[in-house]
Formats: sequence, structure tokens, C-alpha cells
Amino acid sequence: DAGVTQSPTHLIKTRGQQVTLRCSPKSGHDTVSWYQQALGQGPQFIFQYYEEEERQRGNFPDRFSGHQFPNYSSELNVNALLLGDSALYLCASSFLREENQPQHFGDGTRLSIL
Amino acid sequence: DAKTTQPTSMDCAEGRAANLPCNHSTISGNEYVYWYRQIHSQGPQYIIHGLKNNETNEMASLIITEDRKSSTLILPHATLRDTAVYYCIVIPAGGTSYGKLTFGQGTILTVHP
Repeated sequence: DAGVTQSPTHLIKTRGQQVTLRCSPKSGHDTVSWYQQALGQGPQFIFQYYEEEERQRGNFPDRFSGHQFPNYSSELNVNALLLGDSALYLCASSFLREENQPQHFGDGTRLSIL
Repeated sequence: DAKTTQPTSMDCAEGRAANLPCNHSTISGNEYVYWYRQIHSQGPQYIIHGLKNNETNEMASLIITEDRKSSTLILPHATLRDTAVYYCIVIPAGGTSYGKLTFGQGTILTVHP
């Protein structure tokens, strides 16, 4: 039973570029959440997708956008990259209708902005 | 969401019990206490959660005080592989709230040989 998988594992971009990160949820899960983790900090919630719609959003600018596909996989897009966007980007999945279902995380994509 | 307070760091000898405290004095009646840990270069790993009763699973035990204002995560026989950052998170019950896990700084647990 595959867990949450993310790709790529590492990525290097330059300022002003755009990036797309991908996430496949754990089998049986229908909800995907994205988090940004700066070095030495706890993860910060970006947004959550369910039924192909953004359901909740954290305090992130609209340069951060996402998408969820019919197979529940998801993408995170970041436009006009800034140096401060360098971080570990984590994807977490869960089954929304099951009360108190814990979220399961992937190992993240390490994004470095030069 | 209720705020949590955890010690910045703790040490534990291998084979001994590790007891990690968490204060959540503003917790509401329908809020659960969740524990995650993050080993270096990996994503957070779910450990255990509870509402008001003590809970135990194959990884750990969770002790919640009767007034629910604090809790303790217990790793009964710590190993070197338990060295990680441990996060205590309070989450309201209910569907869409699951999306937003609010992580603090967590406790860096170092297990020594």
C-alpha cells in the first residue's frame, strides 16, 4: 500500500520562474493538503483540496495555486518565485468523511531558489 | 484553534522512557490532541491522537489530564531512531478542519546511547 508520494524530491529554480510540484495521495484518500516548511520552522498550511476544489487556504499570496485531479492527485504551482519561497513543500492526504482521520504526509519536495 | 506550548528540547537515554509534555490550556471541548514527529529529511509522521481518554498504540501512549489542559506523549523504550522533532497539535473535530494542521516549533528529542 503506497503512501503519499511527491515529485520531484529536489528542485532548483531562479527568481521569477514558475514551478509545479506533484503529489499522489495515499490509496483510499480523497483530500490533499499542502504545507510549506522553511528551515528550522514547523510546516505552514498553504491550502487543502477536496472534490477538485480549494476548500481552505492559509495566509499565502495568490502566487500559490493548486489543482486536484479526478484521481485525487494534486499539483502545487508557484509563480514569480522569490528567494523566500525556498523551503520544503509537503503534501498530506486524508479521507475527509472519516471523522478524525489523521493526515499522512509525504517526504516533500525541497525547492531551492537561486 | 487552541495554542500549544512545548519545551524546545529534551534528552533521553536509549532504552528509557521519553515523556514529552504539551500544554494546551485553551483547548475546547470538541478539540482533539494529535501528536506527529518529524525525523530529519522526512515528512511528519502521525503518532497518536486522543480526546479525553488515555490512548495507546504500537508507537506510543498519550496521557491527557482530566481537565484536558495538558498532555504527555510517552515513548516507553526510546531508541536512537526516535530522535526527531515532536509536534503537539490541537485540532477541532469536524470535516474541513482537518485540512489545517497548525504546527508550532515542537520539541527536539535527542536520544543518547
